[in-house]
Amino acid sequence: QKEVEQNSGPLSVPEGAIASLNCTYSDRGSQSFFWYRQYSGKSPELIMFIYSNGDKEDGRFTAQLNKASQYVSLLIRDSQPSDSATYLCAVKRNTGFQKLVFGTGTRLLVSP
Amino acid sequence: DAGVIQSPRHEVTEMGQEVTLRCKPISGHDYLFWYRQTMMRGLELLIYFNNNVPIDDSGMPEDRFSAKMPNASFSTLKIQPSEPRDSAVYFCASSFGTSGGEGSYNEQFFGPGTRLTVL
Repeated sequence: QKEVEQNSGPLSVPEGAIASLNCTYSDRGSQSFFWYRQYSGKSPELIMFIYSNGDKEDGRFTAQLNKASQYVSLLIRDSQPSDSATYLCAVKRNTGFQKLVFGTGTRLLVSP
Repeated sequence: DAGVIQSPRHEVTEMGQEVTLRCKPISGHDYLFWYRQTMMRGLELLIYFNNNVPIDDSGMPEDRFSAKMPNASFSTLKIQPSEPRDSAVYFCASSFGTSGGEGSYNEQFFGPGTRLTVL
């Protein structure tokens, strides 16, 4: 079992719809959870961070965390074609260490 | 600030040759990370440094790989000898450290990457 698992996709949604991206992790010691966006041929960039159970909203993005189920998700409201990218989920095990473990990413395609 | 700088951006070499990838982190950042990204394995951490000292090199695939950070503004990742399975995009990232308390986070800023092709 991989430490961080994501469906590779592609996840296809029409413009204006809600895109839901999911991630599960195996290490219950994981403390912090990150969503990175990576456009084709570019480097990853951080878009959301969450460490408490529940929801965290930032503009059109909402991160959801359920530590009991070891599940983290990213919702993108009013999806735009410019949101088309690969979304990487990453977890940090211990707040004292800086090591992130990444999933393989979910490719999102938003059609006009 | 120019962000994390990597060179070269593209490298094509033949099997058996030595390859050296270079990274300049963001000024003031005390953590530096080397990652490798492939379609099959995704983004994998190879090694990271704190204040120029290697902290965790458990991701380095084998002895053919080595990394150094002689000072706070420069790091190298060397592959000798290179093999076709080393073909990947290699990213360098840097960040500040954190206090370590719950909720602390340290955004890792990634460089543009080096696309390595070993023939």
